[in-house]
Amino acid sequence: GNSVTQMEGPVTLSEEAFLTINCTYTATGYPSLFWYVQYPGEGLQLLLKATKADDKGSNKGFEATYRKETTSFHLEKGSVQVSDSAVYFCALASGSARQLTFGSGTQLTVLP
Amino acid sequence: DAGVTQSPTHLIKTRGQHVTLRCSPISGHKSVSWYQQVLGQGPQFIFQYYEKEERGRGNFPDRFSARQFPNYSSELNVNALLLGDSALYLCASSLALSKPSTDTQYFGPGTRLTVL
Repeated sequence: GNSVTQMEGPVTLSEEAFLTINCTYTATGYPSLFWYVQYPGEGLQLLLKATKADDKGSNKGFEATYRKETTSFHLEKGSVQVSDSAVYFCALASGSARQLTFGSGTQLTVLP
Repeated sequence: DAGVTQSPTHLIKTRGQHVTLRCSPISGHKSVSWYQQVLGQGPQFIFQYYEKEERGRGNFPDRFSARQFPNYSSELNVNALLLGDSALYLCASSLALSKPSTDTQYFGPGTRLTVL
């Protein structure tokens, strides 16, 4: 079956530090890959997406590249801000139903 | 345009009761999915509906059921509530299912269900 493995948190960084959150996946077929972000007490917001190998998704300074050879979709940001503090979820959609399979989430805290 | 809306925001029930959660998708979206998110975990897939038909079901007991209406809104029903059903229930909508360009799911704010 499909699965997503995320780097365990929590992760604590100082403002302007470099961020990497690792994500690897197992899937049949050709999955789309996503990063979602969840702020306290809220639902999930789509952060970025990639639909095929070597695609790079980017949004708000965050980037992730679809690496089929390593089955990875690591999230990066060059300079984090306090407002980036949230839980980040890696997910994939595959098969005819395109249902989402999520990782366990990574809590990020950015200190001023 | 309004995003995905869900009601109610919060709900408190006791064991054995029944609950109905509601979801309205983004205008023009024909697919609705439901997810359960237990505190500290990633969301787990419950159901997916497209054009009023069930297209996917996760590993949940028969106490969970759902339906989609002609206007594409959806209801999730849970019978005989257990303490373990306490969670954030998320609804997501997407344009369609058939291809990666249309399968992005957009989430509502969720309904927080507490079972006492």
